[in-house]
Amino acid sequence: GESVGLHLPTLSVQEGDNSIINCAYSNSASDYFIWYKQESGKGPQFIIDIRSNMDKRQGQRVTVLLNKTVKHLSLQIAATQPGDSAVYFCAENPPNYGGSQGNLIFGKGTKLSVKP
Amino acid sequence: DAGITQSPRHKVTETGTPVTLRCHQTENHRYMYWYRQDPGHGLRLIHYSYGVKDTDKGEVSDGYSVSRSKTEDFLLTLESATSSQTSVYFCAIKSGTGGLNSYNEQFFGPGTRLTVL
Repeated sequence: GESVGLHLPTLSVQEGDNSIINCAYSNSASDYFIWYKQESGKGPQFIIDIRSNMDKRQGQRVTVLLNKTVKHLSLQIAATQPGDSAVYFCAENPPNYGGSQGNLIFGKGTKLSVKP
Repeated sequence: DAGITQSPRHKVTETGTPVTLRCHQTENHRYMYWYRQDPGHGLRLIHYSYGVKDTDKGEVSDGYSVSRSKTEDFLLTLESATSSQTSVYFCAIKSGTGGLNSYNEQFFGPGTRLTVL
């Protein structure tokens, strides 16, 4: 809900501009990554995923880049719209984490604010 | 929304009372998860289930128990609620039929906001 956005880094962009949201992940052995979008008062919504054998994957208006050398993920949103305003966070799937059941570790997130 | 509902959506309770949150899914997913979300923290795993009667602890399981007596329902119980358990609780499922470390995304329910006074 609203409290999720408190104390988070904020990215403010103009409508129509491109947005880049960054995430540093923790485990160099992680082999699967997901970006989620969370609007105020709602549950996280899956945006796009990428496996560790790829360094780029594109969706509709979104692109995820993976740099395993520095354990870094980024989410690029093209032509950002007011409806993109939300908290965005990444998740990683380290092997053998929590019983190897595909459990995820989540980042704290970045709040994206789109100015009309 | 992957057919996930949570109930109740909001609850206010007093310290020391038991509380049970329900997660219901309609798509026969094997894996289900309970998370809590607090300011300053990412989503943290409380418990998860990999089948009927098969559950295991997550990162922050102290003070919580779970049960899964049928595929569609995953219950989270706070035996004696404390103020530190005030949080937003999310249930999730893992899609697909893959096994260990399968590359399947998790989908989340709408959340339950719990306040313990």
